[in-house]
Amino acid sequence: DIQMTQSPSVLSASVGDRVTLNCKASQNINKYLNWYQQKLGEAPKLLIYNTNNLQTGIPSRFSGSGSGTDYTLTISSLQPEDVATYFCFQHNSWPLTFGSGTKLEIK
Amino acid sequence: QVQLKESGPGLVQPSQTLSLTCTVSGFSLTSNSVHWVRQPPGKGLEWVGAIWSGGSTDYNSALKSRLSISRDTSKSQVFLKMNSLQTEDTAIYFCTRSEYTTDYPDYWGQGVMVTVSS
Repeated sequence: DIQMTQSPSVLSASVGDRVTLNCKASQNINKYLNWYQQKLGEAPKLLIYNTNNLQTGIPSRFSGSGSGTDYTLTISSLQPEDVATYFCFQHNSWPLTFGSGTKLEIK
Repeated sequence: QVQLKESGPGLVQPSQTLSLTCTVSGFSLTSNSVHWVRQPPGKGLEWVGAIWSGGSTDYNSALKSRLSISRDTSKSQVFLKMNSLQTEDTAIYFCTRSEYTTDYPDYWGQGVMVTVSS
C-alpha cells in the first residue's frame, strides 16, 4: 500500500498569511493527488484534484503543485473560514489512501 | 443536485455484522461509482472500498476478508456489509461519489456514526 505522510500535523498561522501544507507519498503517484478540506463536524470537501486542478466553486486562493512523491497545497492569503483539517489522497494505486491530515489553525 | 445519504444502526455488538445503506439522488449508479470512507472519532480518513459504474468492486486490502459492497440500481442504493466487527471499527462511515471518468470521491454524504460496543 502507498503511505501518505503529511506535514506539519498542526499549523498555526495569521489571517492573510501564505500557508503551505505538505504531502509525501511512499512511491511515485504520477500526480494522482487530491486535497480535501474537512471542517469540524462536517464531511470532507474536494478542493483540488490531480495535483493542481481547482474543483468548481473553490476559491482561487487555494492551489496545488508537485510531482513524483512530493506535493503541496498552498493558501495564498489565509482566511478565518479556512480553519479545518486538510487531507491529501492518492488515487494512483489500489488501495486508495489518505494522509493523516494537517490541522490548520488561526493564531 | 447530487446527494448521498447514509443510514444504518448506530450501535453494533462486537463480532456482529454491520449493514449500511447509501441512498443517492441526482445521479445514476450505472454511470457513476460510489466509495465508502470511514473516520474513527478524532482520527483520519480511511478508504474502505468502492463499487464501480459497471458493478465491479475494489476493497481496502486490510478489510477485504470482512467486507462486501453491492448495489440496487433500481432503488439508487448502495450497500456495505462488514462482518466480525470489533471496537476498532467504530467510526463515522461516509458514502461518496466519483464520476464515470474519475476514480476519486467528489461529493460526500453527511456520514453515519457506527459504534461497536456490547
